[in-house]
Formats: sequence, C-alpha cells, structure tokens
Amino acid sequence: DTAVSQTPKYLVTQMGNDKSIKCEQNLGHDTMYWYKQDSKKFLKIMFSYNNKELIINETVPNRFSPKSPDKAHLNLHINSLELGDSAVYFCASSQGTGGTGETQYFGPGTRLLVL
Amino acid sequence: GEDVEQSLFLSVREGDSSVINCTYTDSSSTYLYWYKQEPGAGLQLLTYIFSNMDMKQDQRLTVLLNKKDKHLSLRIADTQTGDSAIYFCAESNDYKLSFGAGTTVTVRA
Repeated sequence: DTAVSQTPKYLVTQMGNDKSIKCEQNLGHDTMYWYKQDSKKFLKIMFSYNNKELIINETVPNRFSPKSPDKAHLNLHINSLELGDSAVYFCASSQGTGGTGETQYFGPGTRLLVL
Repeated sequence: GEDVEQSLFLSVREGDSSVINCTYTDSSSTYLYWYKQEPGAGLQLLTYIFSNMDMKQDQRLTVLLNKKDKHLSLRIADTQTGDSAIYFCAESNDYKLSFGAGTTVTVRA
C-alpha cells in the first residue's frame, strides 16, 4: 500500500548511457513532480505534471525528458548521462497543483551514480 | 536554494529543545513548510503554516512565523534520538516548492 513508489531504488551506470526512472502514485492525486537532490542535500524541482500536462519545467538540460502516460505515473528518461547527473531523484505527488497548502507526498528516492 | 536559507547543522542534547531557523525571500508565499528527511529516506511533511498566522503548535512541534522579517522557525520540544534527521524549510510560489539547503540535526545522549 505504498503511496508513492519509485524504481529502481539504486542505479549505477556508465557515462553516455540512457536510463529511465519510474514513479507511480496510488493516492489518486492529479499532480506529480520530479526533484533532484545533489550531494550537498540541496533539493530542487525539475518538472511538474498536472493530469498528464506539463506545468513546471525548470531550467533542466533537454537530455532529461519526463513522460506521463497517465496521471498515476510520471517517468523520467535521461539521455547521454553525465557525471554531474549523479544525485538522488525524488518523485512526489499532490492532490492539486501543489504549493498553496497542498501537501506533497514524496517517494523514497532513486540514487543514481554515473561512473 | 538562494531563495530560502537555513543554517546547515545543529547539535542538541537529548531532552533539550531544538530550534531550527529559516529565512525566505518571497513575500507572496502563502504557505511555508517544514519537511523531515531521515537517512536514506524521502521527505516527510512535518507541518506547515499559512502566511497570515504567527504561530502553529502540533504536539512537540511549534512553528513561529515573522512575516515582516520573512523568518520561520521550528522548535522541537524534548528532542529525542529519533529526531536526528535533515529538516528542510520550503516556501510555496508559482505552484512549486522552493527548499532551503536543509539543517542536519544531531541528537546526542
């Protein structure tokens, strides 16, 4: 009965590879997010989708492409991985469009290490 | 992030009170949040406060908001070893949360 789940939990890969991270929420929420947490624990939003529509797209390299097949899923595909992409990626969801009083529920994170 | 600032570390003795401080820049933020991250885990919402409130209390947690100074604090009474974690302050604007860098709280016996 996990609320927000991510796969894989750990991902170790070579520079230049293409990889995907998946996120699913079973809370019936309309909005999902991807955040990146760097080695200094700094957490920054990357993307947000509301009902499969992109509503937030921060300054993120276009090697990162989010895809939302339905409102319960938000996947993150990364092309041509670079060393600087190593981080923990968190998925989150909220009932509404987030921020103004909406609680965001976070997944456990995907720890990506690029060698 | 540059919009939300927190001190990075706090060490507190078990049983004492912890106070974590945060300053933010966006005066239009309607809600301010405190999240907790335990080692190897995701973020857990602890509490939030609406911008027209000065204080909110929830069991051992007390949030104080000084809107004039854009200063937010979280007080944890009777700090326990299970409170050791990173605490993130966040403000909401434009449908997204902007987080501080997190305060690592270490509880010593």
